[in-house]
Amino acid sequence: DTGVSQDPRHKITKRGQNVTFRCDPISEHNRLYWYRQTLGQGPEFLTYFQNEAQLEKSRLLSDRFSAERPKGSFSTLEIQRTEQGDSAMYLCASSLSAGDTQYFGPGTRLTVL
Amino acid sequence: AQSVTQLDSQVPVFEEAPVELRCNYSSSVSVYLFWYVQYPNQGLQLLLKYLSGSTLVKGINGFEAEFNKSQTSFHLRKPSVHISDTAEYFCAVSETGGFKTIFGAGTRLFVKA
Repeated sequence: DTGVSQDPRHKITKRGQNVTFRCDPISEHNRLYWYRQTLGQGPEFLTYFQNEAQLEKSRLLSDRFSAERPKGSFSTLEIQRTEQGDSAMYLCASSLSAGDTQYFGPGTRLTVL
Repeated sequence: AQSVTQLDSQVPVFEEAPVELRCNYSSSVSVYLFWYVQYPNQGLQLLLKYLSGSTLVKGINGFEAEFNKSQTSFHLRKPSVHISDTAEYFCAVSETGGFKTIFGAGTRLFVKA
């Protein structure tokens, strides 16, 4: 068990570019979550997968955001046409079941110039 | 819908003193409650959680929290803090059996020598 990993750890991009982040959950965890955290705030829920099915998307997730978990293992979060307001830490977490501990990855810090 | 209010954005305290970090929540259904800690430049880590049963929950690093349903509170306490407890602490709530976790804005605990 190596924990939740995220790649890259840091991403700097210019406004208008597309970016993609990857999350590898703990191997036996079928639930995967994406959150966004801005400075001075707690994590905000973005989306949730149970196995490969995306069961919930926050209103925060505009049409420019898309997430996938194609084989129920790793997940990707893509942001198209990035805006400066997208600058944040993007966190991924995984868990076994409802109420179970969510294990968080180290996050991907996105800076949009 | 649930919401979480962390009543103090910053709590300075001297080493070996007791500390209480306050958290109030709002929900129309039964909930699970969590406290997470985020050390500088690290990911979130679960301190403790309340799912059901005893209202006094003990966690890691000597922390404990008490679920008070009538006051809709879940305050975090430690009888004697260490310098190493300096971190950001987040209270979180989710619906029983649900997946969407709502986080508070965080309380920064600063332990002084």
